[in-house]
Amino acid sequence: DAKTTQPPSMDCAEGRAANLPCNHSTISGNEYVYWYRQIHSQGPQYIIHGLKNNETNEMASLIITEDRKSSTLILPHATLRDTAVYYCIAHAPGAAGNKLTFGGGTRVLVKP
Amino acid sequence: EAGVVQSPRYKIIEKKQPVAFWCNPISGHNTLYWYRQNLGQGPELLIRYENEEAVDDSQLPKDRFSAERLKGVDSTLKIQPAELGDSAVYLCASSRQDFGYTFGSGTRLTVV
Repeated sequence: DAKTTQPPSMDCAEGRAANLPCNHSTISGNEYVYWYRQIHSQGPQYIIHGLKNNETNEMASLIITEDRKSSTLILPHATLRDTAVYYCIAHAPGAAGNKLTFGGGTRVLVKP
Repeated sequence: EAGVVQSPRYKIIEKKQPVAFWCNPISGHNTLYWYRQNLGQGPELLIRYENEEAVDDSQLPKDRFSAERLKGVDSTLKIQPAELGDSAVYLCASSRQDFGYTFGSGTRLTVV
């Protein structure tokens, strides 16, 4: 899996959009961008993934740049329950040696 | 559907004692993973199973760690003897052919 770089921490205000950046400049053509989050004392939880196109689901939106070297996870209306560590992972499902490789993630604190 | 179930949730043992963790994956998920997560860091893969075969155990400290997945369903991870540095959260995850990882809540091990 390609290496990803995320800011170690960020704060955001409750009710506002939270924009979480991720750099993956060495991403391969068959690697998707996955986002997981980990709330305190729980296992990582899948949020969203994408290859080239922007994606949206009930949890978040994923914006991937045209050159695929970076992406942004958007939490449209952050709540206190969104406080967690967010992991951006470049991963090619089904490829040889396949596994999710986690970095340090971004610790997001949503403040009232 | 039921999620990935792990037990126990917490475990405190003295160093040099043995310990075992159990994982029941999501029904139909052929791939099972054990990850270890040290405090303040992202999870790191220990071992990956495809059905009952361990296909990636390169990060498993084989002198004291062992794992098994009999009948390709439940899995057990064992440490014998435990050391102080083994204190961590042990996470189990499962997926169907490397798509859609689902993690359990983990077992928090404290070695004293």
